[in-house]
Order: sequence, then structure tokens, then C-alpha cells
Amino acid sequence: DGGITQSPKYLFRKEGQNVTLSCEQNLNHDAMYWYRQDPGQGLRLIYYSQIVNDFQKGDIAEGYSVSREKKESFPLTVTSAQKNPTAFYLCASRARLAGVGDTQYFGPGTRLTVL
Amino acid sequence: AQSVTQLDSQVPVFEEAPVELRCNYSSSVSVYLFWYVQYPNQGLQLLLKYLSGSTLVKGINGFEAEFNKSQTSFHLRKPSVHISDTAEYFCAVGDSGTYKYIFGTGTRLKVLA
Repeated sequence: DGGITQSPKYLFRKEGQNVTLSCEQNLNHDAMYWYRQDPGQGLRLIYYSQIVNDFQKGDIAEGYSVSREKKESFPLTVTSAQKNPTAFYLCASRARLAGVGDTQYFGPGTRLTVL
Repeated sequence: AQSVTQLDSQVPVFEEAPVELRCNYSSSVSVYLFWYVQYPNQGLQLLLKYLSGSTLVKGINGFEAEFNKSQTSFHLRKPSVHISDTAEYFCAVGDSGTYKYIFGTGTRLKVLA
């Protein structure tokens, strides 16, 4: 089955620890996105990547980092600098480099809880 | 900067009744408009999208939306809802300048028996 996988589904970490969320797609999509979802705030863009080895900050990039070494993978690291990391994280991909009219396909999400 | 406003945070409606979820956007350039649905603890799934052409767009699960350029609106409608339509619905706009998508804050639809 083609799609986007995120792992793990649930993640618990102690305050001050870095944690990496996985996002893999086998749709051969160029563009990939990371969003953070908090109740009542919709989706807010963290980082996005249009092509391998290139990525741009979104609206709330502080305290997060990403890499895009392979087309199919776009991991997100939540660092200890992120002041309030507990949230639901969604990864998405889109087919074409400049196809903003294309549909975004979403993964099932990772719920991160920092204790 | 583009923005998306979903005017209702929650909409309760009885089963088999019609529903309209409202979405307004701000943009002075060509827009690409989307409605997504999210069930609890899951990712988002596309319901429908408007790129160009006919202003009435039909989507999955019996939903449709009408693009109104003069009112900068893209309201979602369904003539008869089912219990299974209970979910959160997000309106989004695609920005052709930055390749980003801007999402509204969501509307939680609760269908009552």
C-alpha cells in the first residue's frame, strides 16, 4: 500500500530530552511537511521541504530541526529548546515540486507527551 | 499574509439534518482551497478541493462546497448528515507563492441521534 507512515504513534519523553519523530512516504512525492496540532489552534507549519537536501522554516520552527537526506524520509527532531513540545504531530506530502494545488496526503500522526 | 477563518468552532446537528460549515479566506491572488476531515487521533483526509472552473465542488461522502470569490468564502455543505460524519473539519488554502498551506482552526461537527 502506498502512503505515509509515522512512528511511533505515541511517544513519552522526559523534559529536557531531544526526541526524533519518523516520517516515511512511498508515494514518490517531492514535497514534505511537518505540522503541529494543538486543540483549538488548527495545524501550524513547523518545517517543509520541496526537494532532497533542502528545507524551509515554517511559522513555528523554533525548537525543532529536520533533515531531508532521502526523498522518502523527513524526520523531525524536537529539541530541549522547544518550550512546550506536548502536541500531536502530523507529517504530510505532496506530489509535485510546484504543485500547491495538489492534494496533501497526511500520515496518522504522532502524539508526543513530555513529562 | 493569507489567512483562513472558520467561524464556528463547534456545530451540533441532528442526524439526517442538513449542515453548513463556514470558511472564509483572505487572498488577493489565485487560490487553491481545500476541505479536510479528521477523525479522532488520526491524520487528515481530503474531502474536496477547488482549483479553478465550476464554483460548486463535489467531494467524498456526499459533501460539497461552493467557492464564492466576491465573499471570499468556501463553505462546506451536506444535505443529510450521518452519525459517522462526527469529526473535525478543516478548511485550508494553498499559497502558490510560498508552496505553503494555511489551515483554519477547525470546526468540530457533532451529529446527534
